[in-house]
Amino acid sequence: KNEVEQSPQNLTAQEGEFITINCSYSVGISALHWLQQHPGGGIVSLFMLSSGKKKHGRLIATINIQEKHSSLHITASHPRDSAVYICAVWQAAGNKLTFGGGTRVLVKP
Amino acid sequence: GAGVSQSPRYKVAKRGQDVALRCDPISGHVSLFWYQQALGQGPEFLTYFQNEAQLDKSGLPSDRFFAERPEGSVSTLKIQRTQQEDSAVYLCASSLALAGATISYEQYFGPGTRLTVT
Repeated sequence: KNEVEQSPQNLTAQEGEFITINCSYSVGISALHWLQQHPGGGIVSLFMLSSGKKKHGRLIATINIQEKHSSLHITASHPRDSAVYICAVWQAAGNKLTFGGGTRVLVKP
Repeated sequence: GAGVSQSPRYKVAKRGQDVALRCDPISGHVSLFWYQQALGQGPEFLTYFQNEAQLDKSGLPSDRFFAERPEGSVSTLKIQRTQQEDSAVYLCASSLALAGATISYEQYFGPGTRLTVT
């Protein structure tokens, strides 16, 4: 079993819809990243969380340390939000990121 | 300011050739990471440098993979005798060290080098 699991693997939404991507992990962590990767492009860090909730524009990220679960929400989705969203964790005893497999999001106009 | 840059962006190699992939981190960033991302999958850790010291190379898949950062800035990932299974995007990321030279968790990624081995 992977240490970081994301769901769903693929998601298609209509423009304006609310989108939720989930991330569960099985190890103790120091911090969790949500990353965005556009086709052919590099990776951009959206959020780094160690507790609670963060908001940036239409994006909201939450984390529940006790349940070892994080969610990324996109409100009022737009076609430019189409990308792969990746959850990654810093393990508490480690010096590297462990990544989930990514969620491919397609927002149709 | 300038972000992390990687070169080349695309590399096609014949099986058996050696390749060298370059990463220029953000100036002043102490930590540098290499990741391998196969098609349709999330990245996987390869190796980590703190300045010029390679502190973790546990993710390198075989002894054909070698990374160096001799002056603590630019890093090169070298793959010898490339195989088809080496085809992937190779990502580099850098980060500042926190006070006390511990790892900063915020990483900045380069655009990646897409390697295709034919």
